[in-house]
Amino acid sequence: GQNIDQPTEMTATEGAIVQINCTYQTSGFNGLFWYQQHAGEAPTFLSYNVLDGLEEKGRFSSFLSRSKGYSYLLLKELQMKDSASYLCAVRDSNYQLIWGAGTKLIIKP
Amino acid sequence: ETGVTQTPRHLVMGMTNKKSLKCEQHLGHNAMYWYKQSAKKPLELMFVYNFKEQTENNSVPSRFSPECPNSSHLFLHLHTLQPEDSALYLCASSQEGTSGADTQYFGPGTRLTVL
Repeated sequence: GQNIDQPTEMTATEGAIVQINCTYQTSGFNGLFWYQQHAGEAPTFLSYNVLDGLEEKGRFSSFLSRSKGYSYLLLKELQMKDSASYLCAVRDSNYQLIWGAGTKLIIKP
Repeated sequence: ETGVTQTPRHLVMGMTNKKSLKCEQHLGHNAMYWYKQSAKKPLELMFVYNFKEQTENNSVPSRFSPECPNSSHLFLHLHTLQPEDSALYLCASSQEGTSGADTQYFGPGTRLTVL
């Protein structure tokens, strides 16, 4: 079966750095997405990785290792507004999106 | 604002009611999706429409009936639902091509409670 694993919940401190991991086992791979979802709001697109390596976008970076079936989302200089759920999704060989259950990130002052 | 709107934002209904959820996308996309989001579970894809044709129906019970009159509008008709159908229903759209990078844009969802 196809599977995406990510931690259920993480806590971090304002101003710090946090890394949210995602491991996947899918039938084929056509890219990995990270979305942010604030409570009661729409998931919003953060990043897309299809090649190995690190993609940086301001305070957020996303890393991919296809050989390890592994990705992480790195958030720097955490702000209170970063409190949200972070969803990892992989596009498989049929171009279907397989979703993880999301990681709830709690930021403390 | 993601360019995808959903109404209503909240809905409470009894098991014998009939209601409809509406989604509209203003992005010029050719594909639209219905997802179910339950607490601590992955998003569940329910239906996919590509160029107004249904291309995916992931074994969804017949009490959920989708309708896509044009590429900008998508409905989900609800009839004789069960309490376990209570969840957040998300609509999304994308411009589907042959690239894995095609990104889905989501609406804010309808929070459905079935009594």
